[in-house]
Amino acid sequence: QVTLRESGPALVKPTQTLTLTCTFSGFSLSTSGMCVSWIRQPPGKALEWLARIDWDDDKYYSTSLKTRLTISKDTSKNQVVLTMTNMDPVDTATYYCARARGITGTLFDYWGQGTLVTVSS
Amino acid sequence: QSALTQPASVSGSPGQSITISCTGTSSDVGGYNYVSWYQQHPGKAPKLMIYEVSNRPSGVSNRFSGSKSGNTASLTISGLQAEDEADYYCSSYTSSSTSFGTGTKVTVL
Repeated sequence: QVTLRESGPALVKPTQTLTLTCTFSGFSLSTSGMCVSWIRQPPGKALEWLARIDWDDDKYYSTSLKTRLTISKDTSKNQVVLTMTNMDPVDTATYYCARARGITGTLFDYWGQGTLVTVSS
Repeated sequence: QSALTQPASVSGSPGQSITISCTGTSSDVGGYNYVSWYQQHPGKAPKLMIYEVSNRPSGVSNRFSGSKSGNTASLTISGLQAEDEADYYCSSYTSSSTSFGTGTKVTVL
């Protein structure tokens, strides 16, 4: 049974750095073809893909947010961590992690429940 | 990556069929057969409904079907049911990243 769970602060101040952790079970990120992505959704708005890390430690970032994002994994702990620097109120959103598979890593077959992050002073 | 264009809303009566479009470019939808569709009920995480244009994951009703022509992908829901009322998002592979659609709210009248 595949599960993912996001954890991190519910509230961050502008200019601070956000660190989110995705803890998963039911699969291994050392298995060929497995990937984990982060996706966010501002309240009432559409989904936005942020970043992806692959089983071989390849990393991919949203073009528009690339300078602010870092994704990493700890295979032994079954965790993927996303950091986003210089947070702004427009970054207020529910942040999801999702398992991705397939050669393009764009098939998101399992999602966490999401964690709402509010950026406010 | 730019957002794919979807109609803001689509509605239909129970039992009817509806189709949601997802328009991109030759750099995303038109260039690859890696289009997926997700259903999202209020307050819930998205659920994969269609992958690689027209494939259904195990457990997804065969009332859901996908297709693609040129730069536009489509999701068709046949035999519309009350439980199908939700937001739907398309996504496509593009240049080592993923683009999502603008989202469509499906209302069952």
